[in-house]
Amino acid sequence: GAGVSQSPSNKVTEKGKDVELRCDPISGHTALYWYRQRLGQGLEFLIYFQGNSAPDKSGLPSDRFSAERTGESVSTLTIQRTQQEDSAVYLCASGMGLGTGELFFGEGSRLTVL
Amino acid sequence: GNSVTQMEGPVTLSEEAFLTINCTYTATGYPSLFWYVQYPGEGLQLLLKATKADDKGSNKGFEATYRKETTSFHLEKGSVQVSDSAVYFCARQGTGGFKTIFGAGTRLFVKA
Repeated sequence: GAGVSQSPSNKVTEKGKDVELRCDPISGHTALYWYRQRLGQGLEFLIYFQGNSAPDKSGLPSDRFSAERTGESVSTLTIQRTQQEDSAVYLCASGMGLGTGELFFGEGSRLTVL
Repeated sequence: GNSVTQMEGPVTLSEEAFLTINCTYTATGYPSLFWYVQYPGEGLQLLLKATKADDKGSNKGFEATYRKETTSFHLEKGSVQVSDSAVYFCARQGTGGFKTIFGAGTRLFVKA
């Protein structure tokens, strides 16, 4: 597609439920990133993919968080047994990978855990 | 370490005022540097970038110069408009080209 697409745009869930957030990067972009943005705060790095491998998972907050990517396409971020502190906007970005560093962001998935 | 530090907001200015948002970084080597902007209700978008020392990035009247001596990349605009109200994020390219690292963001309010 023309830009990075994320779904759902809004998700309200109950504490303890699992959620899946999806990201469709720009076609041809080899790098894909997930960030978390809590209300009024900056961007917290979660994980990035180069192709379908994840060289850096250092930002995942706990083992309840996982992510996968099929080829150089769609990525899914899964949060198991959600907690209220997981409430945030989850941002996906894609880029050309090594060298440029320029990222193209989706509009985010707003997660609210009740 | 590898980090980006930018001035705390919010910054409130009147229309046509001069804007400076400070940003400093720590890094080994000379990473590319960026300013991203997040307008209300929208996703982040790249505002400008500089890829090597002494480069000046510019866009929409905003400028930032890559200063390796002071490890800084301050954002400036000579005359702000109400439509510039947004959150501005300074960022640097990560080690090896990956994992762009962002500052905490600075919220700018411009009053008419």
